[in-house]
Amino acid sequence: NAGVTQTPKFQVLKTGQSMTLQCAQDMNHNSMYWYRQDPGMGLRLIYYSASEGTTDKGEVPNGYNVSRLNKREFSLRLESAAPSQTSVYFCASLPGTGGSYSNQPQHFGDGTRLSIL
Amino acid sequence: AQSVSQHNHHVILSEAASLELGCNYSYGGTVNLFWYVQYPGQHLQLLLKYFSGDPLVKGIKGFEAEFIKSKFSFNLRKPSVQWSDTAEYFCAVTASGGYNKLIFGAGTRLAVHP
Repeated sequence: NAGVTQTPKFQVLKTGQSMTLQCAQDMNHNSMYWYRQDPGMGLRLIYYSASEGTTDKGEVPNGYNVSRLNKREFSLRLESAAPSQTSVYFCASLPGTGGSYSNQPQHFGDGTRLSIL
Repeated sequence: AQSVSQHNHHVILSEAASLELGCNYSYGGTVNLFWYVQYPGQHLQLLLKYFSGDPLVKGIKGFEAEFIKSKFSFNLRKPSVQWSDTAEYFCAVTASGGYNKLIFGAGTRLAVHP
């Protein structure tokens, strides 16, 4: 009954370092999402993957790359971390794609708290 | 572009007080509306959702929300709050159709004092 699992839970990086945040879901969901959460700004979509093999930019994609490795896994990479990327990152998933799933809630992981010095 | 506004950023209440958190969205088409809650140190959980039918929807833990289409609003209410309701509350919207991208409001941080 794991749902959406994110690793690591906490990480501290130095400016310029690279890092990959991992996300896996065991619910056989098609769609997966990466958000960042910043105080006073809610959650903002970084990238999403409507299905295995596809990825698209969200609201704030600059400085990030993603890989949909398979149906279960969707990773987020920071190639050269910057202090502005200090945030809490959430991964989410949804059973399907398209309009028939737009009224379904997304399932969220526990988040990764990332600090960049 | 879609957007969501939550008018109250911080709310402080005493136990048993009534709660109403405002949420307005901007989008001209058909939308699906959600309220999520984030308890301290935890991930987001769904409180309730609206996509069609009765505009008054009931969720978990005694929460309810009313969709008023003419006002583009989806306010969250609870008649009597408890200390355990201390959390951050997010209103979110997706457009019907498309890739189900959630657009979140900035959130309202609720503190309930015993």
